[in-house]
Amino acid sequence: GAGVSQTPSNKVTEKGKYVELRCDPISGHTALYWYRQSLGQGPEFLIYFQGTGAADDSGLPNDRFFAVRPEGSVSTLKIQRTERGDSAVYLCASSLRGGADTQYFGPGTRLTVL
Amino acid sequence: GQSLEQPSEVTAVEGAIVQINCTYQTSGFYGLSWYQQHDGGAPTFLSYNALDGLEETGRFSSFLSRSDSYGYLLLQELQMKDSASYFCAVPSGNTPLVFGKGTRLSVIA
Repeated sequence: GAGVSQTPSNKVTEKGKYVELRCDPISGHTALYWYRQSLGQGPEFLIYFQGTGAADDSGLPNDRFFAVRPEGSVSTLKIQRTERGDSAVYLCASSLRGGADTQYFGPGTRLTVL
Repeated sequence: GQSLEQPSEVTAVEGAIVQINCTYQTSGFYGLSWYQQHDGGAPTFLSYNALDGLEETGRFSSFLSRSDSYGYLLLQELQMKDSASYFCAVPSGNTPLVFGKGTRLSVIA
């Protein structure tokens, strides 16, 4: 079946602009995760959804970052007033039920803030 | 919190065996995962060890010693396509993964 998909694959924006990044998880997966990966580093956790609710948003760096999953499937990561330091690859992952279930990653969105 | 240590780079010859070590510090341990990531690609799940011992999946094996807070990934019969970054990861208090910084494996002819 289809894996995790993310759009756009690349996003270039100017400092101060607003961006939305989309994630389509594997069908039937209740758990969805957002990570951020900078060059030469491992993925860094941002936020975790179980169904429609954010079960853990402790990784969001500040209040410019927000994510939603209104119907328990597709999720959107929203970044307001982007800064150059936000430039990274934003990865989405899903798992069947959360917990120790294997997380399957999408290809990521490469965000570049000029 | 959680922290993981793994070597930053490893180089090995095609056809050889390579071991990538990972030591971890956690405030609650559920298991150790390994992921492979090719340049520009998504992390891909390789293995998960919840109990001590060796798990084998084809050319890849993963080992865990909970008493030593240590694990390793063993790659046998190396192929050029195995050149990638390898990450060890542990679940945090809930379920998000905490990743190491990754080991970049270069397979040379």
